[in-house]
Amino acid sequence: NAGVTQTPKFRILKIGQSMTLQCTQDMNHNYMYWYRQDPGMGLKLIYYSVGAGITDKGEVPNGYNVSRSTTEDFPLRLELAAPSQTSVYFCASILGREAFFGQGTRLTVV
Amino acid sequence: QKEVEQNSGPLSVPEGAIASLNCTYSDRVSQSFFWYRQYSGKSPELIMSIYSNGDKEDGRFTAQLNKASQYVSLLIRDSQPSDSATYLCAVLRRALTFGSGTRLQVQP
Repeated sequence: NAGVTQTPKFRILKIGQSMTLQCTQDMNHNYMYWYRQDPGMGLKLIYYSVGAGITDKGEVPNGYNVSRSTTEDFPLRLELAAPSQTSVYFCASILGREAFFGQGTRLTVV
Repeated sequence: QKEVEQNSGPLSVPEGAIASLNCTYSDRVSQSFFWYRQYSGKSPELIMSIYSNGDKEDGRFTAQLNKASQYVSLLIRDSQPSDSATYLCAVLRRALTFGSGTRLQVQP
């Protein structure tokens, strides 16, 4: 997964806590995406961005927020964690024919 | 109708056979198409991308795109047990939308 870095890899949150999942890419990709993947399920798009300063909602945006102040960074914010947000979160970036995923963040809300 | 549809499988093929994975999409304005492979507990990894109608080959993999039929497929020749994974089709316009994936099992 060259070039897309996600942190942290694992996190346990208590209900109502907040956190930011970090995603950084050093390939100068314009398009960046956040997905969640529940066990045995496919990838659901949370938010995406086609460039700095531009963000759009995906299929499941409720409970999340994003910002894109630079081309490199696309953080995902959870404001009031709920058990339903327990999942694996993936960040991805694309430019033309290059498309990469980060290694994922496994989040558990208890 | 889902934006990107795949048969969930499992698709079971014997070692050395050709595995054929299919995907249909609903947005006619889609620009680019990607095939990813995902092993259990890992992040998706890009196999190949395709943009133009026709075939594109990369080693044992061939992607086929038919925009008129809104259909994209992936052929895996000489399938190996290490190819056993979930294969994800993705379609790009602005959002990158994934199908639910097809689980492939290659039997030794």
